[in-house]
Amino acid sequence: KNQVEQSPQSLIILEGKNCTLQCNYTVSPFSNLRWYKQDTGRGPVSLTIMTFSENTKSNGRYTATLDADTKQSSLHITASQLSDSASYICVVTIAYNTDKLIFGTGTRLQVFP
Amino acid sequence: NAGVMQNPRHLVRRRGQEARLRCSPMKGHSHVYWYRQLPEEGLKFMVYLQKENIIDESGMPKERFSAEFPKEGPSILRIQQVVRGDSAAYFCASSADGDRNTGELFFGEGSRLTVL
Repeated sequence: KNQVEQSPQSLIILEGKNCTLQCNYTVSPFSNLRWYKQDTGRGPVSLTIMTFSENTKSNGRYTATLDADTKQSSLHITASQLSDSASYICVVTIAYNTDKLIFGTGTRLQVFP
Repeated sequence: NAGVMQNPRHLVRRRGQEARLRCSPMKGHSHVYWYRQLPEEGLKFMVYLQKENIIDESGMPKERFSAEFPKEGPSILRIQQVVRGDSAAYFCASSADGDRNTGELFFGEGSRLTVL
């Protein structure tokens, strides 16, 4: 069964600290993996998208890694800011299937001052 | 260049009424996707449309739900005879031609339906 699981479900950190969010997937065949940030009450916004051949991709203070062998990805946030408080969603695309994006349920991150 | 525009942002309906949600994709995008998000849950695919065509509606309930993307105008997600379980946030996303699997998917801000 095609699934995307994220951990932890929620996370609280202090401003300025780093954190790492995890994503494990069983989607096959694999096309790409995306990380989205979703602020409360808003639509998801893309952070990174990685294909099979990419191991890491950065977007400012966000760095995503991908291990296609173990089917794991992580999103590392450096020097967190209050505005990083949001849900972070891992999404995996099934190859050759244009509409099948499998969404994880997200990690809810809260950054406190 | 406006992003994906959805309206209304909030919609309240009584059981049995109809709900119509609209989505205007980004300029130049001809692929539209609708997703539903229940509280504390992930987004669930409903339907994928191109202009005047439904490509895949496998995620959409067989009854009461329909979607269209006419040649002119926005995409419409229509829910007839709404029930309380239809209360959710409905997100629309669009992508450009040729970028369906590997390209950016841009989301609107969502339409939040509340059924009383």
